[in-house]
Amino acid sequence: DQQVKQNSPSLSVQEGRISILNCDYTNSMFDYFLWYKKYPAEGPTFLISISSIKDKNEDGRFTVFLNKSAKHLSLHIVPSQPGDSAVYFCAASGDGGSQGNLIFGKGTKLSVKP
Amino acid sequence: GAGVSQSPSNKVTEKGKDVELRCDPISGHTALYWYRQSLGQGLEFLIYFQGNSAPDKSGLPSDRFSAERTGGSVSTLTIQRTQQEDSAVYLCASSPPVGYNTGELFFGEGSRLTVL
Repeated sequence: DQQVKQNSPSLSVQEGRISILNCDYTNSMFDYFLWYKKYPAEGPTFLISISSIKDKNEDGRFTVFLNKSAKHLSLHIVPSQPGDSAVYFCAASGDGGSQGNLIFGKGTKLSVKP
Repeated sequence: GAGVSQSPSNKVTEKGKDVELRCDPISGHTALYWYRQSLGQGLEFLIYFQGNSAPDKSGLPSDRFSAERTGGSVSTLTIQRTQQEDSAVYLCASSPPVGYNTGELFFGEGSRLTVL
């Protein structure tokens, strides 16, 4: 049973508009969430994270929102750029992110069209 | 090198053969992780090392899979008697010591295994 779910396998957005990638989780013990970006033939790279004590974290064009009651988080990219086209993975941890394994979703492929 | 290094980048093998995949983590990183990504799937956790010991082996799919880490550095993932369902990209990641850790894992480019 998947503990971290990304229900949209793909998303297409026009350059300059907002991209919203969604992620749901089932385990209430998760307390740290991360987003990774992956280009083809490369390893995933860390993008942004959020602790469960917060509901929002912002870094430049990227903002992650956490709704603990709904067990839902989302990644907003604004404005979207063609270079943002990649697969985005949501990941969760139950130890504050200090160590141990991360549970990943299946990913959402974002295409940003010029 | 500056990043996590994995070898081979591509491996094609016949069903039933053994394979070894190697990971060289970032210097100074104490934790090392193995994940795999099968076609159309997310990243599946396999095993985690803290130093040379493996506190969490819960993700290893079967006893055909084993991993070791020596000298707190290089790790080898061994798959014995490979099966077609073992075909995947095997990703290694490392992270800094506790206290310096932001929860971020630093991934290598992966080893793509194809079992014919």
